[in-house]
Amino acid sequence: DTGVSQDPRHKITKRGQNVTFRCDPISEHNRLYWYRQTLGQGPEFLTYFQNEAQLEKSRLLSDRFSAERPKGSFSTLEIQRTEQGDSAMYLCASSPSVGNQPQHFGDGTRLSIL
Amino acid sequence: DAKTTQPNSMESNEEEPVHLPCNHSTISGTDYIHWYRQLPSQGPEYVIHGLTSNVNNRMASLAIAEDRKSSTLILHRATLRDAAVYYCILSAPDNYGQNFVFGPGTRLSVLP
Repeated sequence: DTGVSQDPRHKITKRGQNVTFRCDPISEHNRLYWYRQTLGQGPEFLTYFQNEAQLEKSRLLSDRFSAERPKGSFSTLEIQRTEQGDSAMYLCASSPSVGNQPQHFGDGTRLSIL
Repeated sequence: DAKTTQPNSMESNEEEPVHLPCNHSTISGTDYIHWYRQLPSQGPEYVIHGLTSNVNNRMASLAIAEDRKSSTLILHRATLRDAAVYYCILSAPDNYGQNFVFGPGTRLSVLP
């Protein structure tokens, strides 16, 4: 299977701890996106990379959040000093950079803050 | 951000066609119409997209109104596996992530 892979699938942590999620996109895709999804809502855009460059960040991405894509391949999303409101599904997607191509999503990392 | 409006929920009987509507009255001339669906505990799955002409693929058909202010996703024979939340999204030509604005979608239930 060469789809988008996310790790871990589930993360439970105590409030105040730091967490890091990993996303491996489809190998030939230049674009990589992070979204957050809370229960009963559609995904909300967080940030976007073209290769290793982070080109867009939503205002939802507070200064406790940081995302990287150091070699233009996999990406990490770190949340520092987690809060109850950070509990959500974090989704990663990737797409080619040519034309209006669909985004391919992973199955997400579900974060629960105790 | 361009907005879409969809019914909160719909029901269909198995093996019958399903027509999922989407209104997008503020669509610009260059916006693409994308449809995704999301099954429980999974990420969204691409279904189909189009610009002006109707589109068909192995999963579904997309019928786009002549004025482009609405579109309809057509599942020709619903199966139990089609029960999901369906999202209609507008995307500008550059396809940057910020253009994917997901609403709450339509929750489709398929009855056996």
